[in-house]
Amino acid sequence: QVQLQESGPGMVKPAETLSLTCTVSGTSISNYYWNWIRQSPGKGLEWIGYINYSGTTNDNPSLKSRVAISVDTSKNQFSLKLRSVTAADTAVYYCARALARYTQPFDHWGQGALVTVSS
Amino acid sequence: DIQMTQSPTSLSASVGDRVNITCRASQTIYTSLNWYQQKSGRAPKALIYAASNLLSGVPSRFSGSGSGTDFTLTIVSLQPEDFATYYCQQSFSTPYTFGQGTKLEIK
Repeated sequence: QVQLQESGPGMVKPAETLSLTCTVSGTSISNYYWNWIRQSPGKGLEWIGYINYSGTTNDNPSLKSRVAISVDTSKNQFSLKLRSVTAADTAVYYCARALARYTQPFDHWGQGALVTVSS
Repeated sequence: DIQMTQSPTSLSASVGDRVNITCRASQTIYTSLNWYQQKSGRAPKALIYAASNLLSGVPSRFSGSGSGTDFTLTIVSLQPEDFATYYCQQSFSTPYTFGQGTKLEIK
């Protein structure tokens, strides 16, 4: 079955870069759309961005171009980098799959990774 | 960005009840509306896509309706495992956006 698993540091200092990796099993990452979504008490669920099977990325303008999403097809993984973090970036970060760019839901999710921004 | 507004924010109901949760989009999204269930400490789980289509394995007591800007999630004959928080999400255009959630609690 399809499974996603986030990994990365649980704490990041202000102004540094948050880095997370999502390892995908049960399906090839060379298909579909691979998303990052975060959830914080103050802002609810927020879509961060995606990368698709051809390497095309799209991210949320609210994050002011701080986002970089990349894929490593040899490891069946995709990654998130969020630059210049502040306390407002403290959240549970999820990776999730969508079958297509539009209309389709996020049908498989990782269990989530809590990232705290603190000095 | 398309704003998604859910109502109510919270809801108390009993096992066996029927409940409706509504979601309104700030502009038409046709039927590009998905519903999720989230239990405490867990990732959201997709229930319904394209406004009215159940994902595989989702019980038939869940149903969705609507198009344009107004949508409804209906749960009939509530079961104990249905008490959770529900979110709508539009997949019509990026940035994809979610409603603020509806917490369904046991009365």
